[in-house]
Parts: sequence; structure tokens; C-alpha cells
Amino acid sequence: LAKTTQPISMDSYEGQEVNITCSHNNIATNDYITWYQQFPSQGPRFIIQGYKTKVTNEVASLFIPADRKSSTLSLPRVSLSDTAVYYCLVGDYNFNKFYFGSGTKLNVKP
Amino acid sequence: GAVVSQHPSWVICKSGTSVKIECRSLDFQATTMFWYRQFPKQSLMLMATSNEGSKATYEQGVEKDKFLINHASLTLSTLTVTSAHPEDSSFYICSAHGGGGGAGETQYFGPGTRLLVL
Repeated sequence: LAKTTQPISMDSYEGQEVNITCSHNNIATNDYITWYQQFPSQGPRFIIQGYKTKVTNEVASLFIPADRKSSTLSLPRVSLSDTAVYYCLVGDYNFNKFYFGSGTKLNVKP
Repeated sequence: GAVVSQHPSWVICKSGTSVKIECRSLDFQATTMFWYRQFPKQSLMLMATSNEGSKATYEQGVEKDKFLINHASLTLSTLTVTSAHPEDSSFYICSAHGGGGGAGETQYFGPGTRLLVL
């Protein structure tokens, strides 16, 4: 089971690009990587999911190197409203086995 | 698409009473639903996994007789906290997974239910 490691917190300023890395050294061949955003007293919100290389959607990009032992969530031009906790989750496609990281608290300053 | 709702959003109850929380997938069929609890400033802790029509699988340390889970249909799962005590006060979150392509192929989370036991 792939345990994940994330930085506890990060600071950024409005307009900057933010990259949050998640380490998952023991990721299995059939594991996917999913990132979520959570605001206080709300359920996590799906951001992006990937298996390898690069995935991009309208809000973020996910970079996964060839060895898949880590992944990086990239948020372009953050705003104050992006202040939240970001979790990476590693697990198989049907979530029979998965691990939720401890989360990274992103603080965006004006 | 891929919307999950929870009801109620918050509940206050007296110690010793039971509380039922509903989790619904509104626009997709959820073959699997998950129940989590979250304490302040902590990550989500998986409590149990439920598959439609079968018994839930509980994580180690979670009392199945205290946290009753029913997944009677592909769009509804319920969590009942029986004989609630103040230490059960927490934020309970469900998620749903469709198990196939399109909406629901990842875990989509409900908004959470804040439980306060007096």
C-alpha cells in the first residue's frame, strides 16, 4: 500500500504558480493519483487525477515522472480563494486499497 | 455532474440517542460509498467501505455495532451513529464511487455532516 508524504504547509502570494509535491515511493502498478481540495467544514473537492506523465484541466496540472514515485500538483496564478488544504490520494482504480495523505495547508497571501 | 449530497449538514443530539446521516449520489450510480470522519486540523480517517447490497467493510478500530452502515441502493448509503456520546462528535463525510467510466470514476465527496453530541 502506497503511503503518501506531503509538506504540512506552504505559503504563496496571489498571482504566483504553486507546486505541491506528494511522495509515494511504494506506488503499485495499478494505482492512480488523485488530488483534492478541502475548505474548512466542507467535503473535499476533486481537482485532478492521473496515472503517468502530465494531465491538465481547467484548474490545475498534474505532473507524474516516469518512476511514479512522486507527483506534483500545479496551480497556476493562485488567488486568495485557493487557500485550502490539498490532499493527494493514491489507490487503485476501484479504490479497493488507497491511502489519503495528511494534506498540505496552502496559505495564499495578498 | 458527479454530485454527492449529505443530510443533515449538522445535527445536535443528546448523549445516548442515535443519529442517522444520509449520503446520496445525485447524478450517477455509486457502486461503492465510503464513510470518513475528520477531527479538527486532521486528515480524513476512513471508517468503512460499503458496496450496494452487501455488508460494509469496517476499518480496524471502528465499532461496526456503533456505526451502522446501510447501502440499500446505488444512490443511497446511510450511517447511523448508535447511542452517541460526546466523543463521537466529529465531522462525518461520505464519498461515492461509480466504478466505471465517466462521472463517478473517482471518489466524489459529500459536503459533510457536523455532529455534536451533548
